[in-house]
Amino acid sequence: DGGITQSPKYLFRKEGQNVTLSCEQNLNHDAMYWYRQDPGQGLRLIYYSQIVNDFQKGDIAEGYSVSREKKESFPLTVTSAQKNPTAFYLCASSMRGGDTGELFFGEGSRLTVL
Amino acid sequence: GENVEQHPSTLSVQEGDSAVIKCTYSDSASNYFPWYKQELGKGPQLIIDIRSNVGEKKDQRIAVTLNKTAKHFSLHITETQPEDSAVYFCAASMNTGFQKLVFGTGTRLLVSP
Repeated sequence: DGGITQSPKYLFRKEGQNVTLSCEQNLNHDAMYWYRQDPGQGLRLIYYSQIVNDFQKGDIAEGYSVSREKKESFPLTVTSAQKNPTAFYLCASSMRGGDTGELFFGEGSRLTVL
Repeated sequence: GENVEQHPSTLSVQEGDSAVIKCTYSDSASNYFPWYKQELGKGPQLIIDIRSNVGEKKDQRIAVTLNKTAKHFSLHITETQPEDSAVYFCAASMNTGFQKLVFGTGTRLLVSP
């Protein structure tokens, strides 16, 4: 089945540690995204990538880093510089161009900082 | 930049009633307005969308209306069912070839049997 796979589903981290969230898609989509979801704040864009080896900061990129070495993979690293990292993280992908604007989301990764 | 406001934050209805969720956007250049449904523990899923050259779109029990002049768009769900219970997000973007969507803050809909 085609889709987006995020791992791990739950992650606990001590303060001061970096952590990497995995996102893999087999939809052959060019564009990929990372969103952060907090209660009452909707979804906020962290980083996005339209093509391999290229990515741009979203609205809340501070304290995060990404890479896009392969079309199907877009990992997100939450660094120790992120002041409030506890959140639900969603990865998504979409076709680049075309008539449909649909984002396809993974099931998310919940990060808790202890 | 674009800002999307969504109301209400929570909505409780009886099964069979209608539910309406409203959003406003700030950037008149936005021309694509999707609605996503997020069930507990899952990622959001597109349920309906509308482009700015259309005033209304229907898909079975759900419909979306758009008022470009007032920069309002709304989601209407008729004959609600318990499985409609979820969080609904509106969003807006300028369709630049990829979707840099700005989302509303979400509405938690609870449909009671």
